[in-house]
Amino acid sequence: QSVLTQPPSVSGAPGQRVTISCTGSSSSIGAGYDVHWYQQFPGTAPKLLIYANKNRPSGVPDRFSGSKSGTSASLAITGLQAEDEAYYYCQSYDSRLSGSDVFGTGTKVTVL
Amino acid sequence: QLQLQESGPGLVKPSETLSLSCDVSGDSIGNSDHYWSWVRQPPGKGLEWLATIYYTGSTYYNPSVETRVIISLESSKNQFSLNLSSVTAADTAVYYCARQRYTSSSGEFDYWGQGILVTVSS
Repeated sequence: QSVLTQPPSVSGAPGQRVTISCTGSSSSIGAGYDVHWYQQFPGTAPKLLIYANKNRPSGVPDRFSGSKSGTSASLAITGLQAEDEAYYYCQSYDSRLSGSDVFGTGTKVTVL
Repeated sequence: QLQLQESGPGLVKPSETLSLSCDVSGDSIGNSDHYWSWVRQPPGKGLEWLATIYYTGSTYYNPSVETRVIISLESSKNQFSLNLSSVTAADTAVYYCARQRYTSSSGEFDYWGQGILVTVSS
């Protein structure tokens, strides 16, 4: 029962910029909880892509960037590459119902 | 280099208990900087956080499964485990163990195991 909503899919041509939204509520992102992003290829484990809204772990290309405002967050991929075709999930915390870590519904990025 | 490895049966009968272990190497589950968690992903669906444990033994559960789930530490083996009781077909999923750290107000999962597919079927 995801409480973070993402678009099911986004697409773009190589070199273009795409953005993925992650919409929460006043008990999650809007309450000030930070957002993290993961990249997942089929059949593999998720990989941390962005943490604490905008920070990249070592080794993540700088064409990936994150931001947060109000009850939403966004992941941007600039200079889209074929290898970026994957699923992307946001994650945060929701203070309702004793509190839970929550994931977004997931977005499939397709490189045209 | 931190590595996590899930183990356990790949097939569980309905109404029985699913038991999984996560072997941790490259870090100690007694490290106060980190938490240890389980996340699952039904086939073709998204990620669902299940449970987290801290080295003190403090536990945190997803309300959707908290009446059926127990997470525990096995410090002598540097492992942690998940037990999910009264399983149904809806519990069929790839189960991941992961390390969770708190660099901010919500903890991110910075290392993941490769995952183990558990199918619930008679």
